[in-house]
Amino acid sequence: GAVVSQHPSWVICKSGTSVKIECRSLDFQATTMFWYRQFPKQSLMLMATSNEGSKATYEQGVEKDKFLINHASLTLSTLTVTSAHPEDSSFYICSASSGRGYGYTFGSGTRLTVV
Amino acid sequence: AQKVTQAQTEISVVEKEDVTLDCVYETRDTTYYLFWYKQPPSGELVFLIRRNSFDEQNEISGRYSWNFQKSTSSFNFTITASQVVDSAVYFCALSEAGEDDKIIFGKGTRLHILP
Repeated sequence: GAVVSQHPSWVICKSGTSVKIECRSLDFQATTMFWYRQFPKQSLMLMATSNEGSKATYEQGVEKDKFLINHASLTLSTLTVTSAHPEDSSFYICSASSGRGYGYTFGSGTRLTVV
Repeated sequence: AQKVTQAQTEISVVEKEDVTLDCVYETRDTTYYLFWYKQPPSGELVFLIRRNSFDEQNEISGRYSWNFQKSTSSFNFTITASQVVDSAVYFCALSEAGEDDKIIFGKGTRLHILP
């Protein structure tokens, strides 16, 4: 079955530094990738949608300059949290789709803690 | 706009009891997909089911069953003979065909199965 690998699974960083999270589709080409954020005991909130080779579409209220998304190939998307602050501490999870109607595969998530 | 409502925030049942998780959705599209995901304490999302709007047939998979009722915009999930391993947060989600495949999640229902 389709597999999405997300790394790292957890990361602790100092306030003010940047953190990059990778999301790779291992056995299929992901035309679209999604990034979600989940605060403790809350739902998954969609942050942005990225299509290979084009700029990401951000949901309302998500700062595009803070959460940089790159989808340079059909198998890799990255989310960079720039100048991270403690309030950015959250569980980030990516999802990949190979096309409309083909379903979605989620990565295992990245738990980010900013100290 | 699409919206998913899971009115039950938290449910506790004793092992072996049946439990139904409710999900009500809103969409203006005639073509859409409904999902249920399980999120155990480890955080990863476990895919349970995907249903398209044209398929109202109920589904049974082992102890799990789903009841899709377009007339009431509901997609309820029942676990029969619950087990402690079923304890998790369960999310209902919706994707509209015209929305670039993005999935919008309900707030989730935290299910506790007591031994």
